[in-house]
Amino acid sequence: EVQLVQSRAEVKKSGESLKISCKASGYSFDTYWIGWVRQMPGKGLEWMGIIYPGDSDTKYSPSFQGLVTISADKSIFTAYMQWSSLKASDTATYYCTRQDTRGWSQWGQGTLVTVSS
Amino acid sequence: QSVLTQPPSVSGAPGQRVTISCTGSSSNIGAGYVVYWFQQLPGTAPKLLIYGNTNRPSGVPDRFSASKSGTSASLAITGLQADDEADYYCQSYDSSLNGDVFGSGTKVTVL
Repeated sequence: EVQLVQSRAEVKKSGESLKISCKASGYSFDTYWIGWVRQMPGKGLEWMGIIYPGDSDTKYSPSFQGLVTISADKSIFTAYMQWSSLKASDTATYYCTRQDTRGWSQWGQGTLVTVSS
Repeated sequence: QSVLTQPPSVSGAPGQRVTISCTGSSSNIGAGYVVYWFQQLPGTAPKLLIYGNTNRPSGVPDRFSASKSGTSASLAITGLQADDEADYYCQSYDSSLNGDVFGSGTKVTVL
């Protein structure tokens, strides 16, 4: 069974760094794109970027380019999203998702990040 | 601001039919890119509802159907049920942004 298990909720202060994770199981991690999606409180879904763990090819949405870093460690089947300096406006739930022949069909449970100023 | 526009809300009584539109442009739906639909129940992750414009994954009831024409797509829910109350999002690829995009989202309320 394909599973994406995300790291626990985080509470941080403005200016701090953060790295959240998405651990995959049940399939060949190398060969499927992983995407990251932001959902701010009470708002819609926004694409942040995608990564191909096999060669770490990464594509960012223009709105998030330079603001976050997406990475993957295929030795431990895990994808990451990281910030070097959080802002209060980064408060949101972040989802990872896997793309297969049906599209973005598998989703993690989400990681809530709360940033206080 | 989303490049795929959806109505903020639609509502219907139990048993009725509701439709949700997703209006795009020549750089996404109109360019022939595939449309997907997701259902997000309160407090949960999105769930794939429709893929490849019109196909339902196994387990999705046939009360959900979708179509695509020109620069728009639509999702229909027939025989509306209380547990259909959720947010619904369309999704496609946009060549101007060189990436996937979501619609603005529609809240379905069962009266």
